[in-house]
Amino acid sequence: DAGITQSPRHKVTETGTPVTLRCHQTENHRYMYWYRQDPGHGLRLIHYSYGVKDTDKGEVSDGYSVSRSKTEDFLLTLESATSSQTSVYFCAIKTGDLNTEAFFGQGTRLTVV
Amino acid sequence: AQSVTQLGSHVSVSEGALVLLRCNYSSSVPPYLFWYVQYPNQGLQLLLKYTSAATLVKGINGFEAEFKKSETSFHLTKPSAHMSDAAEYFCAVSSYGNNRLAFGKGNQVVVIP
Repeated sequence: DAGITQSPRHKVTETGTPVTLRCHQTENHRYMYWYRQDPGHGLRLIHYSYGVKDTDKGEVSDGYSVSRSKTEDFLLTLESATSSQTSVYFCAIKTGDLNTEAFFGQGTRLTVV
Repeated sequence: AQSVTQLGSHVSVSEGALVLLRCNYSSSVPPYLFWYVQYPNQGLQLLLKYTSAATLVKGINGFEAEFKKSETSFHLTKPSAHMSDAAEYFCAVSSYGNNRLAFGKGNQVVVIP
């Protein structure tokens, strides 16, 4: 398995509270991604990073921010959690080569009550 | 923008029967195409990928897919379904100059004994 660790694996939080999810890799891959998975929607890209301090928005970035201060860590922050952000969040990593696949973490199940 | 379409969110197949999952892509440049599988409560793992070397691609667990440029398709097949094939399957596309993976909505495969 690729060296990707997501933490926490499960979290329940209240509406309006800030939440940070962590993705840690040991592969030294350049690209890191955050996706959310919801029934009927597949995986949708939230944000991604193409290097330290280099990030860009995905298709569902509203309400989320990210940071990457080290190659190995990519943090996803929900500034003020809402019930619509209840989801399963996946981190993925990828080399810079276009023909290579992404490797996924085990996911974080977030419930906002 | 690149995208993929997977029709039929739930697919039922009898054990021993052909598995066929359809994927059509949209990309203005030559695509890279991937099929991933997700078992319950796990992350995604790669089944196979098309990177222009060969139009018929063989993957793990007996799956294969054929790239047809004229039909903009990359359908996934397995000649004989096994109970262990019950999972969710995702088609994904990236394209030259773009390291972002766009996913389809997925097919939940149920294998009937």
